[in-house]
Amino acid sequence: QVQLLESGPGLVRPSETLSLTCNVSGASISSDDYYWTWIRQPPGKDLEWLGYIYYTGSASYKSSLRSRLTMSVDTSKNEFSLSLGSVTAADTAVYWCARGVGGPTITYYYYLDLWGKGTTVTVAS
Amino acid sequence: DIQLTQSPSTLSAAVGDTVTITCRVSPSVSSWLAWYQQKPGKAPKLLIYKASTLQNGVTSRFRGRRSGADFTLTISSLQPDDFATYYCQQGITFGPGTKVDIK
Repeated sequence: QVQLLESGPGLVRPSETLSLTCNVSGASISSDDYYWTWIRQPPGKDLEWLGYIYYTGSASYKSSLRSRLTMSVDTSKNEFSLSLGSVTAADTAVYWCARGVGGPTITYYYYLDLWGKGTTVTVAS
Repeated sequence: DIQLTQSPSTLSAAVGDTVTITCRVSPSVSSWLAWYQQKPGKAPKLLIYKASTLQNGVTSRFRGRRSGADFTLTISSLQPDDFATYYCQQGITFGPGTKVDIK
């Protein structure tokens, strides 16, 4: 049974960097079939796609976050990570990692078949 | 950019009812539309992908269809466990959600 589990600090100070890791168990992250994805949901707001990373290290990010966002993958640990810099209160959210299945282009051909439990991150001093 | 609009935003129904949620996609390019169920404090759960394919383990009371730019999720014989918020998604864009609550 494949499972995803997020980990990271629940509180981050404004202007600092938010770092989260997603550990994948039950299957290898080194699969041609999947896009390892981060999603977040601010309190009371909609789901927001942040980006994905492929096991090769190739990544795609939400355009409005591109200057602050970096994703990485560690195939030896079967995990992938998110780093979001210069955070503000607007980055307070529940963050999920998820497994994406994609088609010819993920802009139109993409869905998320497996999600982690999520981790709450609060940005506050 | 893709725009997804869901209607209604809130839906009140009783156990046993059949309800339908609509997701309109603009522009309508792909049939790869997914539906998720989310309960408070939980991760979204994939119900349907590619407009009408039921995810493994999901009850057949959930049905998805496409008609042009409109995609629908129909829940038959509503059960207490079905009261939740439902999101559609195409590509990297999510709809705003439809909350199904108890009448």
